[in-house]
Amino acid sequence: DAMVIQNPRYQVTQFGKPVTLSCSQTLNHNVMYWYQQKSSQAPKLLFHYYDKDFNNEADTPDNFQSRRPNTSFCFLDIRSPGLGDAAMYLCATSREVGRARISYNEQFFGPGTRLTVL
Amino acid sequence: KQEVTQIPAALSVPEGENLVLNCSFTDSAIYNLQWFRQDPGKGLTSLLLIQSSQREQTSGRLNASLDKSSGRSTLYIAASQPGDSATYLCAVKEGNNRLAFGKGNQVVVIP
Repeated sequence: DAMVIQNPRYQVTQFGKPVTLSCSQTLNHNVMYWYQQKSSQAPKLLFHYYDKDFNNEADTPDNFQSRRPNTSFCFLDIRSPGLGDAAMYLCATSREVGRARISYNEQFFGPGTRLTVL
Repeated sequence: KQEVTQIPAALSVPEGENLVLNCSFTDSAIYNLQWFRQDPGKGLTSLLLIQSSQREQTSGRLNASLDKSSGRSTLYIAASQPGDSATYLCAVKEGNNRLAFGKGNQVVVIP
């Protein structure tokens, strides 16, 4: 089945120790998103790739970086995790067309990675 | 700044009753609205997508309406079942491909 896969499902790291979360998709979608969801809060968009174009949200801390080496994979790097970065990290994809580069279509989410910072 | 509100935050209903979940948003300049389901500790499952030009979408027991001018959407779940217990999230698509989410309606269906 076509899907969005996130690894690992649970990640424990130490304060200040870099960590990388992985997302892959078999949907062949051209847009990939990273969201942060803290407990009992709404998911918040960190950034997204439209094809190879990286789009950062204005309020995303510099501590968060992303890489998309190919269509199928996208990584979230947290350079120096703080206690406040403990959250569920959700990857999503959508297939979009059009010159306006605006996404009208449904977003499909992976199961998430729960990050704990000790 | 777009604000999405879902009321009530939590509700319980007896099995078999119809569920009505409300979502409101402050800026009507949206591209679409999507309803999601989230089980505890899990990711989001897309339920319905309504484009800004549409009034409603239906899938099985689920029906979602959209009144863009008044900034409202309603999700109806007919004949609720215990398996419908989850958190339901509403999200509107803004410019820059951003989905602005509400905090969700936490639903418990009592057998």
